[in-house]
Amino acid sequence: EVQLVESGGGLVQPGGSLRLSCSASGFSFSTDAMHWVRQAPGKGLEYVSTISSTGGSTYYADSVKGRFTISRDNSKNTLYLQMSSLRNEDTAVYYCVKGWKYWGQGTLVTVSS
Amino acid sequence: QAVVTQEPSLTVSPGGTVTLTCGSSTGAVTSGHYPYWFQQKPGQAPRTLIYDTSNKHSWTPARFSGSLLGDKAALTLSGAQPEDEAEYYCLLPYTGVRVFGGGTKLTVL
Repeated sequence: EVQLVESGGGLVQPGGSLRLSCSASGFSFSTDAMHWVRQAPGKGLEYVSTISSTGGSTYYADSVKGRFTISRDNSKNTLYLQMSSLRNEDTAVYYCVKGWKYWGQGTLVTVSS
Repeated sequence: QAVVTQEPSLTVSPGGTVTLTCGSSTGAVTSGHYPYWFQQKPGQAPRTLIYDTSNKHSWTPARFSGSLLGDKAALTLSGAQPEDEAEYYCLLPYTGVRVFGGGTKLTVL
């Protein structure tokens, strides 16, 4: 059974940093691109970032480019999202997604003073 | 950044048929965009219904189908059930990044 479990969310002040993790199991992690998607309270889905299966290619939405860094450790079956210079508008549930097929349950990030 | 457009809301009667569409500000949506459709119910994570325009996953109910309709991607629900009431999102690719549509709130009433 494919499982994606996000962690690392929480309350952080504007300008602060946070690292999200997504632990994967039940499939061959190293063969698929992985993605982060977020959803602000009461809003729609917003694409955040993609990393290729090897980690050699990464892509970012304009809204997070230069502030967020996606990475993966295929030996640990784990996806990461390093978030810095956080803003109030980054407040959202962050989902990790495997190959646009499987979704985790999400982790809430709240940016507030 | 490109904008992906969806109907904000639609209503369908139980047992009825409804089509949701997904357009792109950059032009016609084609099979080369490999459009995706996702369903999200309140308090739940999204789940993928359709990939690559019209392909279904094992969990996708047979009453859902994907296609291209004119210059847009389309999701058709035939024989709507109360449990189909949800938000539906499409996803299109643009040079490596992806863009979600704003979502369609589907009411079964």
